[in-house]
Amino acid sequence: NAGVTQTPKFQVLKTGQSMTLQCAQDMNHEYMSWYRQDPGMGLRLIHYSVGAGITDQGEVPNGYNVSRSTTEDFPLRLLSAAPSQTSVYFCASRLTGSSSTDTQYFGPGTRLTVL
Amino acid sequence: AQSVTQLGSHVSVSEGALVLLRCNYSSSVPPYLFWYVQYPNQGLQLLLKYTTGATLVKGINGFEAEFKKSETSFHLTKPSAHMSDAAEYFCGIYNQGGKLIFGQGTELSVKP
Repeated sequence: NAGVTQTPKFQVLKTGQSMTLQCAQDMNHEYMSWYRQDPGMGLRLIHYSVGAGITDQGEVPNGYNVSRSTTEDFPLRLLSAAPSQTSVYFCASRLTGSSSTDTQYFGPGTRLTVL
Repeated sequence: AQSVTQLGSHVSVSEGALVLLRCNYSSSVPPYLFWYVQYPNQGLQLLLKYTTGATLVKGINGFEAEFKKSETSFHLTKPSAHMSDAAEYFCGIYNQGGKLIFGQGTELSVKP
């Protein structure tokens, strides 16, 4: 299994540009989520999905869109990039079920800089 | 609402010394608690988790954590630090909506 994969690893955008961060998992997990990591603030939840066709907002959703057309893929879209969106973005998928197996698995991250 | 607070954004220890990273939680229901580690320029890796049962939880790389309900704590320890333990460590808790909420992180430095 490849686990959780993210592309690209690095990206530089200009203010106002749009782009899509890709995330895919091959573990057949229903639950997927996007976090951003900023110094001193830990990881904050942007959006999440409990299954194909179902998405919901997290703690910091403004400026981001998501969709979930398949179980495997969960792309994150920046509609009009702003410098405040400079961050490291992590995608995660979660094996739900019993308490002993419930675990989130993280991708390697995408480092985004908005100029 | 569930939350976690990590005490100390930076911790420095000497190689071979005890590692103690502190995490306190707030929860109105029995919590699910986690510790993750992030090595430089990498994603997060699960170290250990507490859900129910035994309060002393053993994880990977020699780390363990003890759930103490009376102290609302879930501190991470390792008896003897190794240079390879240098990383950032995150405590986390599931909230009632099933979302994983993280603390601010603690950066561990290990001196030779």
